[in-house]
Amino acid sequence: ILNVEQSPQSLHVQEGDSTNFTCSFPSSNFYALHWYRWETAKSPEALFVMTLNGDEKKKGRISATLNTKEGYSYLYIKGSQPEDSATYLCASSGYALNFGKGTSLLVTP
Amino acid sequence: DSGVTQTPKHLITATGQRVTLRCSPRSGDLSVYWYQQSLDQGLQFLIQYYNGEERAKGNILERFSAQQFPDLHSELNLSSLELGDSALYFCASSASSPGQNYGYTFGSGTRLTVV
Repeated sequence: ILNVEQSPQSLHVQEGDSTNFTCSFPSSNFYALHWYRWETAKSPEALFVMTLNGDEKKKGRISATLNTKEGYSYLYIKGSQPEDSATYLCASSGYALNFGKGTSLLVTP
Repeated sequence: DSGVTQTPKHLITATGQRVTLRCSPRSGDLSVYWYQQSLDQGLQFLIQYYNGEERAKGNILERFSAQQFPDLHSELNLSSLELGDSALYFCASSASSPGQNYGYTFGSGTRLTVV
């Protein structure tokens, strides 16, 4: 099973700050990299699926980049809002998704 | 509502007992995945079914088993329960394999507490 690491473990920012977190994964036998957003008391929701080196995806104020050669992906949030508070999970795709432990983001007004 | 239905939402049972968790995938999805999330752990992959057949196994204990029925719903059976089995169990479904660019749709989970 591929080992997926995420950093930082947690992050606390002020409303309006931009932030980013990292997902690293083994670059061998790479298929796809997934990002999920998981709010407390809810189920994880898919944000992005990326497959190609250099891929960049965007959804509103959230964007992600992918480097398959060096095995990392960044998730960026521009102008964080309190509703962005959640745990952000990345997962590398093999026969099933192998998830990292997530980055817990808290945005305070 | 994600379209993936898990029941029950909460379950409290004693050590040594057996429980069954149920999952109905989103309409049209053929793959069902089971994950376990214990305290301070990430989502741990247990097992995958595709169109009724077991496709892949992860860190699933021998005391645990699963199946997917012809109507595509799936059940996860946990037996001889131990305190350490207390966790949040998620079911997810996808149209096909996640390596083919399909993301998962997660259910709301079953919170199992073993006392």
